[in-house]
Amino acid sequence: EDQVTQSPEALRLQEGESSSLNCSYTVSGLRGLFWYRQDPGKGPEFLFTLYSAGEEKEKERLKATLTKKESFLHITAPKPEDSATYLCAVQGASGTYKYIFGTGTRLKVLA
Amino acid sequence: DGGITQSPKYLFRKEGQNVTLSCEQNLNHDAMYWYRQDPGQGLRLIYYSQIVNDFQKGDIAEGYSVSREKKESFPLTVTSAQKNPTAFYLCASSFGSNEQFFGPGTRLTVL
Repeated sequence: EDQVTQSPEALRLQEGESSSLNCSYTVSGLRGLFWYRQDPGKGPEFLFTLYSAGEEKEKERLKATLTKKESFLHITAPKPEDSATYLCAVQGASGTYKYIFGTGTRLKVLA
Repeated sequence: DGGITQSPKYLFRKEGQNVTLSCEQNLNHDAMYWYRQDPGQGLRLIYYSQIVNDFQKGDIAEGYSVSREKKESFPLTVTSAQKNPTAFYLCASSFGSNEQFFGPGTRLTVL
């Protein structure tokens, strides 16, 4: 069964304290792995798509990496405005466009 | 401005009522999706549609119905058969199997 597990559930960082969020997945043939940011009461905002092991994508203070079993979202020198829930989703090679979402990591960056 | 709109932002339903949530997109995407989000849980897929006049059940379709008569529109009806409808509902769209883009969400509360 396709499955996505995100850790930790919650993370508190001081401003400037770098860290990583983990997304472990089990899927029958990975078509894509997606990272989203969600602010309270809003829809998820697309961040990155990763397709194959070894791939990396960067955007400002965020960098996403992918292996055959997991993905990491690295946050370098975070700022309070990076506080949000970060969601990971995978799409398998099942012939449909369905995603399987993890439960997310709630990040709080303190000034 | 291209994007996805959902209305209303807040919706209140009495016991035994059917309610319809609106989702419209002007991104020319062929696929559209409905998710439900509950506290502490990942996004769960209700229904999805990969082309006009065709849709498939997701993981939690019981008590919900959809239609896809136009490419731009994918309304969701929450019927009285849905026993626990209070949740945050998110609509998304994609171009084929590419990344999904989300609307701002509708928060449904049962009175």
